[in-house]
Amino acid sequence: QSALTQPRSVSGSPGQSVTISCTGTSSDVGGYNYVSWYQQHPGKAPKLMIYDVSKRPSGVPDRFSGSKSGNTASLTISGLQAEDEADYYCCSYAGSYTPYWVFGGGTKLTVL
Amino acid sequence: QLQLQESGPGLVKPSETLSLTCTVSGGSISSSSYYWGWIRQPPGKGLEWIGSIYYSGSTYYNPSLKSRVTISVDTSKNQFSLKLSSVTAADTAVYYCARIPILTGPSFDYWGQGTLVTVSS
Repeated sequence: QSALTQPRSVSGSPGQSVTISCTGTSSDVGGYNYVSWYQQHPGKAPKLMIYDVSKRPSGVPDRFSGSKSGNTASLTISGLQAEDEADYYCCSYAGSYTPYWVFGGGTKLTVL
Repeated sequence: QLQLQESGPGLVKPSETLSLTCTVSGGSISSSSYYWGWIRQPPGKGLEWIGSIYYSGSTYYNPSLKSRVTISVDTSKNQFSLKLSSVTAADTAVYYCARIPILTGPSFDYWGQGTLVTVSS
């Protein structure tokens, strides 16, 4: 299983919207509605932001939204704020016979 | 509030076995609703799923690491553990433990703070 493909970096100004893509295959992203997204600030543990493609855990602002089309999932952050600057990782369940998870390489979001 | 805490040596010699434990507090590791997993992150790099375990002891490993990984659970101590054998410098990473809900989507919803393990002589 190869890692999912994410852009190395994206940027946006405060108040703007940005979208981060995550491309996999029919064996992972395209095969299951189990894509999740994680935010990681420097020196901190990842934090779950989106699960099951588009669901938000309690406490995650509705500025964060997720979607999927075919083998590509996307995370959109609207109304960018300075504290959104972080690394973002996508992850897909890929366990056809036994549980298996694959992560993307990560995207650095810079708020200009 | 669920908390996970990794513990173990921060320095391991090449060819030896890395051993870490994750202690779960604020919840039971014996719940049938969750898997428990290990994820690692080499310095400056991305996340990699290592493996997961169910309270019953069923284990699931990343094929790329399967030959060197053993994950076990101790329900009496509310802990699960990771052993990675024959380590090299490439195994230097921050190691995280995490909870994986089964019913609400198999994501990693709670994470430990992570522990840096350096492989060096």
